[in-house]
Amino acid sequence: DVKVTQSSRYLVKRTGEKVFLECVQDMDHENMFWYRQDPGLGLRLIYFSYDVKMKEKGDIPEGYSVSREKKERFSLILESASTNQTSMYLCASSRGQGLAGERNEQFFGPGTRLTVL
Amino acid sequence: QKEVEQNSGPLSVPEGAIASLNCTYSDRVSQSFFWYRQYSGKSPELIMSIYSNGDKEDGRFTAQLNKASQYVSLLIRDSQPSDSATYLCAAAIFSSGSARQLTFGSGTQLTVLP
Repeated sequence: DVKVTQSSRYLVKRTGEKVFLECVQDMDHENMFWYRQDPGLGLRLIYFSYDVKMKEKGDIPEGYSVSREKKERFSLILESASTNQTSMYLCASSRGQGLAGERNEQFFGPGTRLTVL
Repeated sequence: QKEVEQNSGPLSVPEGAIASLNCTYSDRVSQSFFWYRQYSGKSPELIMSIYSNGDKEDGRFTAQLNKASQYVSLLIRDSQPSDSATYLCAAAIFSSGSARQLTFGSGTQLTVLP
């Protein structure tokens, strides 16, 4: 089974702190994703990575950065946390190059509920 | 505008009935479609994938895809209270020659009444 793990289930930080969220997958997937999910707004893509050291912005990258130094690990960084970044953060991974006919389903980690005070 | 739309519900069905969840998408190039189940406070869990027109069955779940109508549905037979959750529809969007990303609908909240 695909296993995606996230470093914390619950996290409380103060405004202005630098926050690191880490995600690890054990299935040698090429692609990794960071989403946030808020009531009424659904899942929104922050960043994704399709290879080591490669990244692409999603729909809401402002205030976030990412790092992928190893294939299995994808980190989300909040440079200076703000209260509007209080949310559920979900990491996902998938295999493949996104070609037609590939099985490109995403598998999610358990999520990190971040509260910024 | 590439979108995946779902009826947000809530949808209530009695235990043992068939629950029917629907999803439409606007990008004609989408080729892969997925249904995820999300319990309150938990992360989405993949329950069905469908890649070609027609029906795909897995236990009590049947996914249906009609590319001409740009329509995907999920049927849950013999619904159980444990099926009560939000169901997310997702489509693989081909952008820049690649479909790595998924576009998610906003989800349909299903309640199965005992």
